Amino acid sequence: EPEVTQTPSHQVTQMGQEVILRCVPISNHLYFYWYRQILGQKVEFLVSFYNNEISEKSEIFDDQFSVERPDGSNFTLKIRSTKLEDSAMYFCASKRVIEAFFGQGTRLTVV
Amino acid sequence: QQQVKQSPQSLIVQKGGISIINCAYENTAFDYFPWYQQFPGKGPALLIAIRPDVSEKKEGRFTISFNKSAKQFSLHIMDSQPGDSATYFCAASKNRDQTGANNLFFGTGTRLTVIP
Repeated sequence: EPEVTQTPSHQVTQMGQEVILRCVPISNHLYFYWYRQILGQKVEFLVSFYNNEISEKSEIFDDQFSVERPDGSNFTLKIRSTKLEDSAMYFCASKRVIEAFFGQGTRLTVV
Repeated sequence: QQQVKQSPQSLIVQKGGISIINCAYENTAFDYFPWYQQFPGKGPALLIAIRPDVSEKKEGRFTISFNKSAKQFSLHIMDSQPGDSATYFCAASKNRDQTGANNLFFGTGTRLTVIP
């Protein structure tokens, strides 16, 4: 069964460093998303991506964040200068039309 | 503004019992209401979803009840099993005409524990 895959599963970084989280969405899907989940809290929308551009972004997705789909298969989330409060699980999701499928997540720990 | 409210925060049910989780939404433009199941350390997995043109949808032991006038929907898990122990999230989005990115707004989650 096709699935969304994310790497790495766990990333530890120092405050102020740049991180890139990687995702391979399901191959025939059209819409791509990043969500995050701070430990024990709800899943929050960060950004959606369609037709090689950002469709929508939340207040959380400030200038420190960027997304790319560099080669038609990978979908990346970059955080330019990480803060302690960026520590969370980051989930990539994709959908073709309606149903969104989530990856296993990357646990980002900023120290 | 919390678009989707979910209760209870946690729920303990005996094996074989019925688990009921409730959600309410504000935005009348929402027209797609999925439920996700999440095990520790894993991503949310789509469990079942409903559109507002029906009042109930059943898949196996899982049923969504939908009340459009009250802007409420609920998940019922019949014959609950220890393997159902997980966190359940309701969500909502706008999917009119099945176009557009239409991100999901999640509830705060319900941690379900089914005791043998």
